[in-house]
Amino acid sequence: DVKVTQSSRYLVKRTGEKVFLECVQDMDHENMFWYRQDPGLGLRLIYFSYDVKMKEKGDIPEGYSVSREKKERFSLILESASTNQTSMYLCASSPVGEEQYFGPGTRLTVT
Amino acid sequence: DQQVKQNSPSLSVQEGRISILNCDYTNSMFDYFLWYKKYPAEGPTFLISISSIKDKNEDGRFTVFLNKSAKHLSLHIVPSQPGDSAVYFCAAKTLYNFNKFYFGSGTKLNVKP
Repeated sequence: DVKVTQSSRYLVKRTGEKVFLECVQDMDHENMFWYRQDPGLGLRLIYFSYDVKMKEKGDIPEGYSVSREKKERFSLILESASTNQTSMYLCASSPVGEEQYFGPGTRLTVT
Repeated sequence: DQQVKQNSPSLSVQEGRISILNCDYTNSMFDYFLWYKKYPAEGPTFLISISSIKDKNEDGRFTVFLNKSAKHLSLHIVPSQPGDSAVYFCAAKTLYNFNKFYFGSGTKLNVKP
């Protein structure tokens, strides 16, 4: 069974804080993804990574950065959190070109 | 501009009846389509997929239909069960950018006992 874990289920941060969201997968998948889910907008891709230290911008990368130093771990960084980054953040992994396996999500609230 | 659209935010169906969830897309280069199911407080899980060379794929109670000329796909659940109550997302990808999936906004299905 593929397992994708996210470091926190719920997180509350203040405006301007630097926020780290961690994701780990245990199936040796090449690809890892970060999405945010907002009502009425579905899942929007922030960044994805197709290999260690390799990354590509998704549809909404502004205000975010990522880091992939090891194959199993993919971090999402909010350099200076803002209230419009309050959202559900979902990490996923997949073999190349195949369906994605998602973590349980992190509900981030920025006050 | 959303390339994959689910125009019905919610659907309510009686247990035992058919649920039909719809999805429209605009990009004619999409060649692979998927449905995911999401329960509250959980991540989406893969449900069923279809390649553009087919027009139907079945897996137990779940069937996905693809109409390429109309750029439309649908998920049929027969018979519907209360445990099917969840948010359903459709997703699509192209052959040339096979790692990037485009998701719809989701349809919340409620199956009433």
